[in-house]
Order: sequence, then structure tokens, then C-alpha cells
Amino acid sequence: DQQVKQNSPSLSVQEGRISILNCDYTNSMFDYFLWYKKYPAEGPTFLISISSIKDKNEDGRFTVFLNKSAKHLSLHIVPSQPGDSAVYFCAAIISGTYKYIFGTGTRLKVLA
Amino acid sequence: DVKVTQSSRYLVKRTGEKVFLECVQDMDHENMFWYRQDPGLGLRLIYFSYDVKMKEKGDIPEGYSVSREKKERFSLILESASTNQTSMYLCASFDRERLALHFGNGTRLTVT
Repeated sequence: DQQVKQNSPSLSVQEGRISILNCDYTNSMFDYFLWYKKYPAEGPTFLISISSIKDKNEDGRFTVFLNKSAKHLSLHIVPSQPGDSAVYFCAAIISGTYKYIFGTGTRLKVLA
Repeated sequence: DVKVTQSSRYLVKRTGEKVFLECVQDMDHENMFWYRQDPGLGLRLIYFSYDVKMKEKGDIPEGYSVSREKKERFSLILESASTNQTSMYLCASFDRERLALHFGNGTRLTVT
């Protein structure tokens, strides 16, 4: 039972355009969400997070949106750069537990 | 900056061997984790530890055990390696301030 789903395994975007990565979850108890970026042969690195009390969090070119009623979050990257090419994982957690549930990842390719 | 170090980047072992994967973190974090990453399956939690000598099973603990004798070190043990344990293994420690995991660079294990 996949509680956190990333339905697009891959995405290609032109440099300078917006990249939108999507994530859906099923457990309404999740109250904190994170995005990680992973380059080949490296571990995932933390990118941005959002608490369920918010619907938007911004950090530079990265913005995460949370729609609790739809149980959906998205990561927007504007403008996209070739260095953003990586696999992106979304993750969800219930505060107070340590059990992060990860999605299956979306491979983003930014074309120069 | 948090540093999580995994002792080996690549390992090749034979079926039936006992395998030790070592992980060290330098931030005095209490919580440490072992995940495995497989294509199409994302990151799955094997075990985690919330204190020295304390451990808890994750989603896929079968065939694995762990050891946490010192706060900075968390070891994953494959009691008798099997080919279905060929995978990328990722260690992480938990940053309470950001509610985020910091990952090591991973160990790619091949069991032949």
C-alpha cells in the first residue's frame, strides 16, 4: 500500500521554464512534508519542507504547495536550470514519529 | 554542516556471507535510519534507532539486523546475504530543528 505516490516517473523541461513535480498521499494523519533531491551516486539532500498548517512555502527558486483537501503537494522550480536535473522524492511524516514515508521519485531532466 | 559517512561506496558479496554496513554521523543526533533504494520502489525503511542500544523495525526488516553501540555509529547487518538484497543502502540521521533527514552517500551492494 503506497501511502505516498509520485505518479510521474520522469519529466523533461526546457531551461528557464517552470518544473512542476507532483505528489499525492493517502494518510490524512501526515502533518509534515518534505522534498529531497538526489543526484546519481549521492545520497538524497533535503530541499524544502512544509507543515500541514501552511499551504505554501518558498525558498528561492523552489516553492512547495500543499492542498490538504486533495491530499496533494507539488514542488515548483522557477526558473529551471540544468543543474536541477536529478531525481526528486517527496516524503511525509506524522510529527512525533520518525517514520518518513517516501514516494517512488520523479526524474527531472532540464534541457539546455 | 551535518556529515553522515558510510564506510563503503561499493561492495560485492557472495550469497550466504555476513555483511556489515557502517554509518557514522558527526552531529550528535539521537535518531539514525537505514533505508534501501530500489528502482520504482523509492526509499524503504529497514530499521531505525532513537538512542544507543535502542532500535525499531521499519517496513522491511526481514533479513537484516542493526547495532547501535555508540551514538554516532549505526550499523546494518545482513545475516546471510541473498541476491534480493542487492540494492543501494542509505543511512540517515535526524535533524530535530528542520525535521529533516541527512543522508550519507550510500553503499551500492551487489550480492552474487
